Amino acid sequence: TQLLEQSPQFLSIQEGENLTVYCNSSSVFSSLQWYRQEPGEGPVLLVTVVTGGEVKKLKRLTFQFGDARKDSSLHITAAQPGDTGLYLCAGARGGYQKVTFGIGTKLQVIP
Amino acid sequence: KAGVTQTPRYLIKTRGQQVTLSCSPISGHRSVSWYQQTPGQGLQFLFEYFSETQRNKGNFPGRFSGRQFSNSRSEMNVSTLELGDSALYLCASSNPSPQETQYFGPGTRLLVL
Repeated sequence: TQLLEQSPQFLSIQEGENLTVYCNSSSVFSSLQWYRQEPGEGPVLLVTVVTGGEVKKLKRLTFQFGDARKDSSLHITAAQPGDTGLYLCAGARGGYQKVTFGIGTKLQVIP
Repeated sequence: KAGVTQTPRYLIKTRGQQVTLSCSPISGHRSVSWYQQTPGQGLQFLFEYFSETQRNKGNFPGRFSGRQFSNSRSEMNVSTLELGDSALYLCASSNPSPQETQYFGPGTRLLVL
């Protein structure tokens, strides 16, 4: 059973389209991280959100942390082929506890 | 600053053998976490070491073990390999804990035949 549920698990879209990826949990997290992983490489941190309701923007990527700090979303505007990859969310509970990862959303942007 | 390095990058073993994977964290990082990544399960937490002590442990059998040296380098060992152990093993370093930004290595891809 995944503590963090990500949806959709697979997404194939045309260049220029918008998309949203969701990360949901029944648990409260002190912070939530989004990573992007390309084939043959380890995940790379995109953003960390820590405050309920927080919205962060990274160029065409918009990240939102739910008010109750149980869920998050990643919205990509005008997707580019370079956005192709595996997007992972990870929840942290503070202190020195382990970080829990979702299974990931595999995004393919077709030129 | 050099990133996290993992060796070897690829490994092929047969059932019943054992394997040792190595991870060198970013200089100054004292926390090293290990994860197993498979298509069906995603990233599963194995264990985390800090200052040569195992601080957190995931739900893996005792065949999976690790250690950390005084220079923060870490190794993980898998004994009596099973087919289901085939996966990408990722190491991540952070300071002082995984709650902070984790920097991942490229991983070791293990294939058990």
